[in-house]
Amino acid sequence: GAVVSQHPSWVICKSGTSVKIECRSLDFQATTMFWYRQFPKQSLMLMATSNEGSKATYEQGVEKDKFLINHASLTLSTLTVTSAHPEDSSFYICSAFSGTQGGETQYFGPGTRLLVL
Amino acid sequence: RKEVEQDPGPFNVPEGATVAFNCTYSNSASQSFFWYRQDCRKEPKLLMSVYSSGNEDGRFTAQLNRASQYISLLIRDSKLSDSATYLCVVNPPLVFGKGTRLSVIA
Repeated sequence: GAVVSQHPSWVICKSGTSVKIECRSLDFQATTMFWYRQFPKQSLMLMATSNEGSKATYEQGVEKDKFLINHASLTLSTLTVTSAHPEDSSFYICSAFSGTQGGETQYFGPGTRLLVL
Repeated sequence: RKEVEQDPGPFNVPEGATVAFNCTYSNSASQSFFWYRQDCRKEPKLLMSVYSSGNEDGRFTAQLNRASQYISLLIRDSKLSDSATYLCVVNPPLVFGKGTRLSVIA
């Protein structure tokens, strides 16, 4: 199946710093990528839809100025957590759809575990 | 009614048992349905898509009931390695269930 990578796989940072997470589609082009957050023992919550060449679409309750998304190319989307705080500690996962229209499958990156001290 | 609902479990079953999970969804316009498996501290991995006619992949069978708006996953001859959380996914809108935790016991 298609491959989606994320970097870094984990990060520990001090409160107030910004953290950038990269999501790459390795063997296909993705005009749209998705960013999720998952807290322990919770399901994935969609944060935003990243659109190549245009602004991201944020889900209700997600601060766009805090979670900056840039989708500069067909294979790369980045999520920057600005001025991170301990409550931002979570598992961040990106995904992209691959396949022909009507038969797409969603593939996930391996996730980035963020711990803010 | 929540968009996607799953019994969180845990389902504790012995090896070799058959176990079934259901997932209900509220949006009748949803067209695509999937089951994902998520191991602890890992990303979800696609287990199988769910087709209108139902589909089977080895020990796993998925079914869709549009009239009652639910999908199901049946696992036969459970293995220890089947222990995981099973997420149902519905699209559109793209919504994940909270997952059903399965623990297969020796």
